[in-house]
This record gives sequence, structure tokens and C-alpha cells, in this order.
Amino acid sequence: AQSVTQPDIHITVSEGASLELRCNYSYGATPYLFWYVQSPGQGLQLLLKYFSGDTLVQGIKGFEAEFKRSQSSFNLRKPSVHWSDAAEYFCAVGAGGSEKLVFGKGTKLTVNP
Amino acid sequence: EADIYQTPRYLVIGTGKKITLECSQTMGHDKMYWYQQDPGMELHLIHYSYGVNSTEKGDLSSESTVSRIRTEHFPLTLESARPSHTSQYLCASSEYRWDQPQHFGDGTRLSIL
Repeated sequence: AQSVTQPDIHITVSEGASLELRCNYSYGATPYLFWYVQSPGQGLQLLLKYFSGDTLVQGIKGFEAEFKRSQSSFNLRKPSVHWSDAAEYFCAVGAGGSEKLVFGKGTKLTVNP
Repeated sequence: EADIYQTPRYLVIGTGKKITLECSQTMGHDKMYWYQQDPGMELHLIHYSYGVNSTEKGDLSSESTVSRIRTEHFPLTLESARPSHTSQYLCASSEYRWDQPQHFGDGTRLSIL
């Protein structure tokens, strides 16, 4: 069965600083990987997804993620964080695509002015 | 932008009451999902549906039930609410193709007294 680990429960960065959120997955076959963002009181919004092809994936809001099969990782990055990026970020892996996703426990991002 | 709506957004109710959480989507998506989310924890899939008259149980055991009589509507019902049902419930939908992402509603935060 697949699983997702997000090692960092809470990360604080200054506005304008770079950001990397870690995600490690466990899955025997080719994984389908996703990053979602959840602002307080709202549902999840898809940032980006990886199914195959180029291992560097571009998403919305200036985010990107890199799939590294050898490290079983799918880390999310942003070169310059904005205060509006403060939210909780969830990594997810799908077995047969986008259905029956398995989510990590999330990383809460705080952005200092 | 996804059009998926959940009502109510917040519900505080006493033990033993029957509760129905509503979820509607206007995108014509075949697949719909219910997740349970507790603070600091991952989302757990509790029910999903491939289309009208299709309902399946998810990975997390739940005392709730669902129905799918219309494509756009996927209500979740608790026949007799208990404090252990206190949680946030998120509804999502996706197109039938495996490579299409899930779109989430804003959730219902349920508190059982």
C-alpha cells in the first residue's frame, strides 16, 4: 500500500525567502503525485501534479516540484515566498491516477513579514 | 475554478441527531468523494462514487452512509451523531479519466456535543 510522509509539521520563512517543502512517498509502482494547498476555512486547491515525463513540474502560483525516483521524493519549491502563501500544504500519492489518493499529514507554512 | 459546494459550512448539534451533509457539483463530474480531516492529520477517504447509483466505502471505516441518485449530488448522512463524529468533512469530485485531478469543496466542520 502506498504512503506519504511530510517530515516537517510546521515551517516558518520570511517573505521573499525561498521555500522547499519535503515529501517522501512509498509505492511499489509508478507513483502519481500531487501537491495541494489548503487555506484556513477552505478546501484543497491543486497546485501541481506529476504523472510521467519531465521530472520538474510547474504549477500555479509560482510553485514547482521535482520528482526524484531514487530518493522517493517529490519536494515542492518556490523561489520567493509571498505572505499570501501562508497555508497548509498536502502531498498526495495516487495508485491508479487521481482517484483514491493517500495524503500526507500536511506542512503548515507561516510567512513572516 | 472548480464549482463544488458543501452545506452547511459549520454545524454544531447534539448527540443522537440525524445529520445530512450536502455536496453538489456543477461540473458534470462522474466521480465524487468524501474525506474526513482532523487537525494535524491526513485526509482519509471514507466514501466514493463512480457515478449514479454507485457508492463504495473508502479506506477509513465510517458510520456514515452516502447516496448518489443524481450526478451532481452526493450527500453524506449520519443516522445518529456521536461526539466521535466531530471532524471536518471534505467533498471532492473529478472527471472519470484517471489523470484528472480531484476538485474540493470548502468543507463542513461538524461538532457533536
